[in-house]
Amino acid sequence: GESVGLHLPTLSVQEGDNSIINCAYSNSASDYFIWYKQESGKGPQFIIDIRSNMDKRQGQRVTVLLNKTVKHLSLQIAATQPGDSAVYFCAENGPDPRLTFGEGTQLTVNP
Amino acid sequence: DAGVIQSPRHEVTEMGQEVTLRCKPISGHDYLFWYRQTMMRGLELLIYFNNNVPIDDSGMPEDRFSAKMPNASFSTLKIQPSEPRDSAVYFCASSSTSGFGYQETQYFGPGTRLLVL
Repeated sequence: GESVGLHLPTLSVQEGDNSIINCAYSNSASDYFIWYKQESGKGPQFIIDIRSNMDKRQGQRVTVLLNKTVKHLSLQIAATQPGDSAVYFCAENGPDPRLTFGEGTQLTVNP
Repeated sequence: DAGVIQSPRHEVTEMGQEVTLRCKPISGHDYLFWYRQTMMRGLELLIYFNNNVPIDDSGMPEDRFSAKMPNASFSTLKIQPSEPRDSAVYFCASSSTSGFGYQETQYFGPGTRLLVL
């Protein structure tokens, strides 16, 4: 029968290409943003974060961009590898310690 | 650092049985969060603690669910009696407060995969 559940946006890329995963948020009071990677059968794993006083932050092969004007967050992965295949979640919070999670994006890297 | 530790990793039980999930947060973290993840609803926050005190349990589905944090290094989530609709992956996460009062990153454990038959 047909499965019912969350239908995640998907992104399929070739190995070696750059990937860009986008996220929109709605709470203007949010001042802390995080990207998590969740592989099948595992818990969400922290990738990179950014605070609202910044608009760009770089890590190893990853860059997060924050556009507060349009409430948009993006994760760029350079030279995507098969091991990057996972679901990627953005999350936000502000003074309230509870995280608000985005819906997630399924990234598939084709060899 | 060992990260957040959860046990058991997998649990299969029969409807009506009591289930206890355990979590050891990262040492020094003052916040602890319990989440549930399902295909239908994604990640849901059930309850969170600050300095061992429950702050918000509005996400707990019903009275069958209870959570405790007797000390800074241990928390339990109990379901009694369990029902098939409780089948999900339960995650524990912990975080700390910076010296400037900022909320730091939440780090997740590997989860407990619960199946209630």
